[in-house]
Amino acid sequence: QQPVQSPQAVILREGEDAVINCSSSKALYSVHWYRQKHGEAPVFLMILLKGGEQKGHEKISASFNEKKQQSSLYLTASQLSYSGTYFCGTESNSGYALNFGKGTSLLVTP
Amino acid sequence: SAVISQKPSRDICQRGTSLTIQCQVDSQVTMMFWYRQQPGQSLTLIATANQGSEATYESGFVIDKFPISRPNLTFSTLTVSNMSPEDSSIYLCSLRLGGAGELFFGEGSRLTVL
Repeated sequence: QQPVQSPQAVILREGEDAVINCSSSKALYSVHWYRQKHGEAPVFLMILLKGGEQKGHEKISASFNEKKQQSSLYLTASQLSYSGTYFCGTESNSGYALNFGKGTSLLVTP
Repeated sequence: SAVISQKPSRDICQRGTSLTIQCQVDSQVTMMFWYRQQPGQSLTLIATANQGSEATYESGFVIDKFPISRPNLTFSTLTVSNMSPEDSSIYLCSLRLGGAGELFFGEGSRLTVL
């Protein structure tokens, strides 16, 4: 079942912050976040396992609320290189394929 | 990490023809996944390919249209049969090492059907 992402699109100025949300109607084992630039394959950012953990990757971090079946990706002090489409991918059982949300288009301007 | 070689990287095809996409991996993996990404859209799972068994197709995808082979643990092919313009998409093979962790993607095969 496809997770729901919001917002659909975000435009930021360099240095601003953004939050992208991902929610599922099914119980989740893990949530993955990927960024895809135009014409390229998706690139892995991070994975969050059930247990309500939070992870960070430089100025990009994420949280996973297992009870609410929701995850959020936090981009702080955005850089031009952050531009792209962000997808969350979810799985209900470990080791199988991921179901991806529709994506959030992020544009960071100078 | 995994190195995935996918080809062709792009092709322009005529309506009614078929094209086979190849995916070669530098590691042995049990499950490989084939995704489709239509222009400006999300990634949609076509099927899961297990070595030594028939592929498992998602709702809306059938074996006659998207036959998959998985002859060994490092290779898989996806054929797009009897193509129509609606099949114009990027097709991506992917895998997870050790059955869990991140999903690695090939570079994708961009098909345009005229």
